[in-house]
Amino acid sequence: DMKVTQMPRYLIKRMGENVLLECGQDMSHETMYWYRQDPGLGLQLIYISYDVDSNSEGDIPKGYRVSRKKREHFSLILDSAKTNQTSVYFCASSLSGTANTGQLYFGEGSKLTVL
Amino acid sequence: GEKVEQHESTLSVREGDSAVINCTYTDTASSYFPWYKQEAGKSLHFVIDIRSNVDRKQSQRLIVLLDKKAKRFSLHITATQPEDSAIYFCAASGGASSSFSKLVFGQGTSLSVVP
Repeated sequence: DMKVTQMPRYLIKRMGENVLLECGQDMSHETMYWYRQDPGLGLQLIYISYDVDSNSEGDIPKGYRVSRKKREHFSLILDSAKTNQTSVYFCASSLSGTANTGQLYFGEGSKLTVL
Repeated sequence: GEKVEQHESTLSVREGDSAVINCTYTDTASSYFPWYKQEAGKSLHFVIDIRSNVDRKQSQRLIVLLDKKAKRFSLHITATQPEDSAIYFCAASGGASSSFSKLVFGQGTSLSVVP
């Protein structure tokens, strides 16, 4: 079953609190991503991970960090969340190298509200 | 870096008519152009893509056209059905300043198919 699973799906935090968003995939994909989606802005790439401990900044990495200790698991961490980090966060995965068709598989999204 | 502009933020068509969503990109070297569909409250899933070595691709009722000279690509949905109602995102990657994996998304077009 090809699936990307995100936890939690909904989260409310206060400004300054830490946030952990978790993502898992069962397809043994090497490459995983974190995007955020805001109205009128589409999806913006926060971080990309090419494999375990091989992470690269995307277009908007400031205020975020990631961790990938197992191929099937990719975490997004917000240390001291800010109100402008209120958003819907999507995790995605894809094959890489010569097997990469380019297609991303997305999770269901995690809606974060920072008060 | 690459910028992808999606020209129609909303689009309404009558059931059975065709819908056309247009995107432009800035990086001449971009070579991969996928489209994703997001139904209300759900995640994104891949619908069709086109690579720069062709200028037209069709999959059932979906047609993608690519004009490399104008740096423009479009999604045509023929014989629209109510279940085509969703937000459609175009994207581009493979440009000079980014890897094949780093998709840059447009802002999204909300398509409504009216019975």
